Amino acid sequence: KAGVTQTPRYLIKTRGQQVTLSCSPISGHRSVSWYQQTPGQGLQFLFEYFSETQRNKGNFPGRFSGRQFSNSRSEMNVSTLELGDSALYLCASSPPTGVGKNYGYTFGSGTRLTVV
Amino acid sequence: DQQVKQNSPSLSVQEGRISILNCDYTNSMFDYFLWYKKYPAEGPTFLISISSIKDKNEDGRFTVFLNKSAKHLSLHIVPSQPGDSAVYFCAATTYNTDKLIFGTGTRLQVFP
Repeated sequence: KAGVTQTPRYLIKTRGQQVTLSCSPISGHRSVSWYQQTPGQGLQFLFEYFSETQRNKGNFPGRFSGRQFSNSRSEMNVSTLELGDSALYLCASSPPTGVGKNYGYTFGSGTRLTVV
Repeated sequence: DQQVKQNSPSLSVQEGRISILNCDYTNSMFDYFLWYKKYPAEGPTFLISISSIKDKNEDGRFTVFLNKSAKHLSLHIVPSQPGDSAVYFCAATTYNTDKLIFGTGTRLQVFP
């Protein structure tokens, strides 16, 4: 079965712009989580969505937002980009809560965002 | 506040020997722990997990040990292979959420 698909793979944006990243989970998975990876901060949790509802949000400013659609696809948006937003953005999908913990959460290959 | 810590940023092991990667945590509410392997510019790949009600879980060359009293877990890879060279992350999650808290990672190098 197809894995987690993230688009685009690479993106270059200018400071002050906004960006939208997309994540298509594995078919049948309803939970999608987003993470930011930077050299200094490691892998940091951004948001968690289940059935179109945000269940958890990490410690990020309000410029970071997300949503989930009825087909479980998810998008995250970053407005007013800053140089420090340059990172690898990863999403993970899982079956209903609990099952993912046994079999692991499946990550996409990520979107590499560079802010110049 | 770093709830999950991997105190060794790097580890170098000879092929065929055992690799032991360590992870400490502070939150006693964590109910599941997972290990991931990661290459640059790729997403983490799941290796093995363990529930907080167990103290050991094995899958092939990978074994995870959990010591709840010490809030410590470790990943053993036996025998180590050059293809195991990557960054390894431990992660933890609590009941009724899919939010993962990651450690800072340990870079494992397996040399011939």
